[in-house]
Amino acid sequence: EIVLTQSPGTLSLSPGERATLSCRASQSVSSRYLAWYQQKVGQAPRLIMYGTSTRATGIPDRFSGSESGTDFTLTISRLEPEDFAVYYCQQYATSPWTFGQGTKLEIK
Amino acid sequence: QVQLQESGPGLVKPSETLSLTCAVSGFSISTGHYWGWIRQPPGKGLEWIGSLYHSGNTYYNPSLKSRITVSVDTSKNQFSLKLHSVTAADTAVYYCARGGYANPGGWFDPWGQGILVTVSS
Repeated sequence: EIVLTQSPGTLSLSPGERATLSCRASQSVSSRYLAWYQQKVGQAPRLIMYGTSTRATGIPDRFSGSESGTDFTLTISRLEPEDFAVYYCQQYATSPWTFGQGTKLEIK
Repeated sequence: QVQLQESGPGLVKPSETLSLTCAVSGFSISTGHYWGWIRQPPGKGLEWIGSLYHSGNTYYNPSLKSRITVSVDTSKNQFSLKLHSVTAADTAVYYCARGGYANPGGWFDPWGQGILVTVSS
């Protein structure tokens, strides 16, 4: 099973700042097979990114994704108030499909 | 617009079977996507349970495989989950979601709103 480790566990930033969220895979994951989700309190997860760097429908371009080896990064260039939430990465390269434990992005 | 809606009992007794249904609207369940179940224990992360295709092909998380049955009813445009011999550790919000196209591996989008199932006597 591929284990995804997200860091940091909690990220405290202010609106307008840049957020960098990391997701490290325990083994190789093709960039085609990595997604990111945003989850707000009491809501279902919402797809943000798939294929590492392709934004889902309706996701603003302040969200971007990248990959370097087994390290994947979600970047939010200028935080808006609605961006504060928990973010999960997911790999769908190898069954069982697995999720990271999440990064909570909170307002500083 | 694709919408998914989970339904089923919110309380299940230990050792019994958890049964949930996901009704899909705005999209035919037979048009090539896989359909999945994911759960989230209170305050914790996400765990993929299993996925199925309209033909009946199924993929299960090995950690739950011995206790899971997923099935599809194309006539009702819905699919179902049965989790047998539940314990308190199965208490979670259960989500259904649309999965990959013609490939069991894929991202999940969209998701249902989720249903909290509590296992307690």
